[in-house]
Amino acid sequence: AQSVAQPEDQVNVAEGNPLTVKCTYSVSGNPYLFWYVQYPNRGLQFLLKYITGDNLVKGSYGFEAEFNKSQTSFHLKKPSALVSDSALYFCAVRDFFSGGYNKLIFGAGTRLAVHP
Amino acid sequence: DGGITQSPKYLFRKEGQNVTLSCEQNLNHDAMYWYRQDPGQGLRLIYYSQIVNDFQKGDIAEGYSVSREKKESFPLTVTSAQKNPTAFYLCATQADRNTFFGPGTRLTVL
Repeated sequence: AQSVAQPEDQVNVAEGNPLTVKCTYSVSGNPYLFWYVQYPNRGLQFLLKYITGDNLVKGSYGFEAEFNKSQTSFHLKKPSALVSDSALYFCAVRDFFSGGYNKLIFGAGTRLAVHP
Repeated sequence: DGGITQSPKYLFRKEGQNVTLSCEQNLNHDAMYWYRQDPGQGLRLIYYSQIVNDFQKGDIAEGYSVSREKKESFPLTVTSAQKNPTAFYLCATQADRNTFFGPGTRLTVL
């Protein structure tokens, strides 16, 4: 079965420092991987995705993620964190199944706290 | 959130009542989904629909029902059979390889 793990419930980082939010996955076949961000009482906003191609994916708001097939990881990174980056981050993998329907399988989420 | 509206933003329900959450989209997307979000559990799929008049159960459909009479609308009813309905509910659409989420409805059972 497809699954996604986000091993850290919370990540704390000082403003201006680099940040990493970890994600590992388990899928059969080639993975379609996504990162979303959620601010309080809001829907999920798309940050970036990996479908194929370059292992380093650049996304919105200065975020990037590195796809590592051998380690089955898709960690989210940003070179210099901002206080406004504080939010809940979700990693997801697309689960393809019969009938043409497909859904996203989400990790439990990681809360990022950036301190001034 | 643009293109997908969910109402109401906050909803309070007494035990034993059915309530319906609205989801409307103007993106002309065929596929629509309902997810439930609980703290520390990520999002879980309740129901999905690929076309009008067709929908399928997701991973946690018990106690929920949906309809898809129009392409633009995919309402979710939380029935009294749902034992623990307090959660944040997110509607989503999909086109190509991208999923788009609405702003969500927070349901609280009193």
